[in-house]
Amino acid sequence: AQSVAQPEDQVNVAEGNPLTVKCTYSVSGNPYLFWYVQYPNRGLQFLLKYITGDNLVKGSYGFEAEFNKSQTSFHLKKPSALVSDSALYFCAVRAYSGAGSYQLTFGKGTKLSVIP
Amino acid sequence: GAVVSQHPSWVICKSGTSVKIECRSLDFQATTMFWYRQFPKQSLMLMATSNEGSKATYEQGVEKDKFLINHASLTLSTLTVTSAHPEDSSFYICSARVSASNQPQHFGDGTRLSIL
Repeated sequence: AQSVAQPEDQVNVAEGNPLTVKCTYSVSGNPYLFWYVQYPNRGLQFLLKYITGDNLVKGSYGFEAEFNKSQTSFHLKKPSALVSDSALYFCAVRAYSGAGSYQLTFGKGTKLSVIP
Repeated sequence: GAVVSQHPSWVICKSGTSVKIECRSLDFQATTMFWYRQFPKQSLMLMATSNEGSKATYEQGVEKDKFLINHASLTLSTLTVTSAHPEDSSFYICSARVSASNQPQHFGDGTRLSIL
């Protein structure tokens, strides 16, 4: 069965500094990987995905993520953090669940706090 | 593009009543919709996968008679919480995806359900 680990419950970073939110995964076959962001009392917003191709994926709001197959990681990064980036971030992997169906498995989430 | 609308965003009702939550894909046809439940400070828990024109597939431990799902068209799925009790209070989020497996799921803004 597939799984996603986000080892940090919370990440604090000063505004203007680079940020990294870590994610590792376990899945049989080729992974489809996603990052989502959730603001309070809202649903999830799609940031970026890795399906195939370049290991460095660029997404919304200046975020990017690097796929590392050997380390089974898909860390989310941003060169310069903004206070408005403060939110809950979820890493997810999609895997085949049978009968033609695919499911997303989410990590537990990492709360990012950007300090002014 | 790829907007998912969820309604209502907040509902408070008495114990024993039934509550219906609607999920609509506004600008795309969703062959598959998903219903999640999120507890405070936790990740999303998949409740069921809803395929248009067929019965929903429920995850283990989710009562299908308690959480009725109807996916009558390619743009609408509904979740009805029947005879709701305080323990059903939670944040419910729907998600929709076009048929291609490598496309991201798009999420509604969630419904905060409070049962008194």
